Amino acid sequence: KNQVEQSPQSLIILEGKNCTLQCNYTVSPFSNLRWYKQDTGRGPVSLTIMTFSENTKSNGRYTATLDADTKQSSLHITASQLSDSASYICVVSVRRGSQGNLIFGKGTKLSVKP
Amino acid sequence: DVKVTQSSRYLVKRTGEKVFLECVQDMDHENMFWYRQDPGLGLRLIYFSYDVKMKEKGDIPEGYSVSREKKERFSLILESASTNQTSMYLCASSKTDFLETQYFGPGTRLLVL
Repeated sequence: KNQVEQSPQSLIILEGKNCTLQCNYTVSPFSNLRWYKQDTGRGPVSLTIMTFSENTKSNGRYTATLDADTKQSSLHITASQLSDSASYICVVSVRRGSQGNLIFGKGTKLSVKP
Repeated sequence: DVKVTQSSRYLVKRTGEKVFLECVQDMDHENMFWYRQDPGLGLRLIYFSYDVKMKEKGDIPEGYSVSREKKERFSLILESASTNQTSMYLCASSKTDFLETQYFGPGTRLLVL
């Protein structure tokens, strides 16, 4: 069964600290993996996308890694800011012929405190 | 920038009412999607459309229908709203390939009393 598991469910950190969010998936055949950021009461916004051959991708203070062998991804946030408080959603794509399917994780809720 | 707009941010309806949620995108995207998002469950796909007048069921289509008469507009219809349809509804669009990045609207929080 295709699944995407994220950990932790929630996380509280102090402003300026770093943190790492985890995403494990059992999806086949894998096409790509995205991390989305969702502010409270808003729609998700794409942060990074990685294909099978990529193992790291950065977007400012956000760095995503992908280990296709262990089927794990992480999102590292450096020097956190209050505006990083949001839910972070890992999404894995499965291709089936000309169509595909997106498997969503349930998200990690990050709170950055001053 | 891609812009996906949804007709309402908040809606309150009564059980049994017919509810229309509208979504418009301004970037000529082929694919459009409707999701619902509930605490602890994440996003779940209700319906999607890859062309005008085309629609496909997602994972949880029961109790919903959709309409796509124009490329830029995708409507979600609750034929007879029930309390278990209280949720956050998110519309999204993507360019051509189904697996390309999806751009989401701000969401509609629906409360069914």
